[in-house]
Amino acid sequence: DIQMTQSPSSLSASVGDRVTITCRASQSISTYLNWYQQKPGQAPKYLIYAASNLPSGVPSRFSGSGSGTDFTLTISSLQPEDFATYYCQQTSTTVPTFGGGTKVETK
Amino acid sequence: QVQLQESGPGLVKPSETLSLTCTVSGGSISGYYWSWIRQTPEKGLEWIGYIYYIGSTDYNPSLKSRVTISVDTSKNQFSLKLSSVTAADTAVYYCARHYSHFEYWGQGTLVTVSS
Repeated sequence: DIQMTQSPSSLSASVGDRVTITCRASQSISTYLNWYQQKPGQAPKYLIYAASNLPSGVPSRFSGSGSGTDFTLTISSLQPEDFATYYCQQTSTTVPTFGGGTKVETK
Repeated sequence: QVQLQESGPGLVKPSETLSLTCTVSGGSISGYYWSWIRQTPEKGLEWIGYIYYIGSTDYNPSLKSRVTISVDTSKNQFSLKLSSVTAADTAVYYCARHYSHFEYWGQGTLVTVSS
C-alpha cells in the first residue's frame, strides 16, 4: 500500500492566518490526491479532488497543489468554521489510503 | 441531495460477524461505486472495500479474508459483513459513494466489539 504522511500532525492558528498542510506519498501518485475536512462527530467532507480541484460550494480560500509525491493544502485566511482535522487520501492504486490527519486548533 | 445512512448493531461479541447496512436516499444506487470505510483513533481512516452497483467488489487485502460487501438495488442498499471480529475491529464505520474521491458519506456508526 502507498503510505501517506501528513505534517504537521497538529497546528495552532488564529482567524485570518494563512495555513499550510503538507502530505507526502511513499511513491509517486501523479495528482490522484484528495483532501477532506472532518469536524468532531461528523463524517469527513471532501474539499479538494485531483490535487487542486475545488468542488462547487467549497470556499475559494481553500486551495491544493502538488503532484508526484508532495502535496499541499492551503487555507488563505482561516475562518472560525475551518478549525477541524484535515486528511489527504490517494486514489492512485486500487487500495485508497489516507494520511494520519492534521488538526487545526485555535491559538 | 444524496444521503447515506448506516444501520446495524452497535455491539458485537468477539469472534462473531459484524453486519451493517447502508441505505441510500435522494439518488439511485445504480451507476456508482459504494464503499465502506472505518475510523479508529489508533489507525485513522481505513478503506474496507467497495461494491459496484452490478455486484463486482474489491477489498482491502488486509481485511479481504473476513469481508463481504453486497448490494440490493431494489432497496437502494448495500451491506457489509466482517467476520471473526476482535477488539481491533471496534471503530466508527462509514459508508460512502466512491468516485475518484469519497463524495458522499453517511454520518457513521460506532461498532464496539466486546463480550
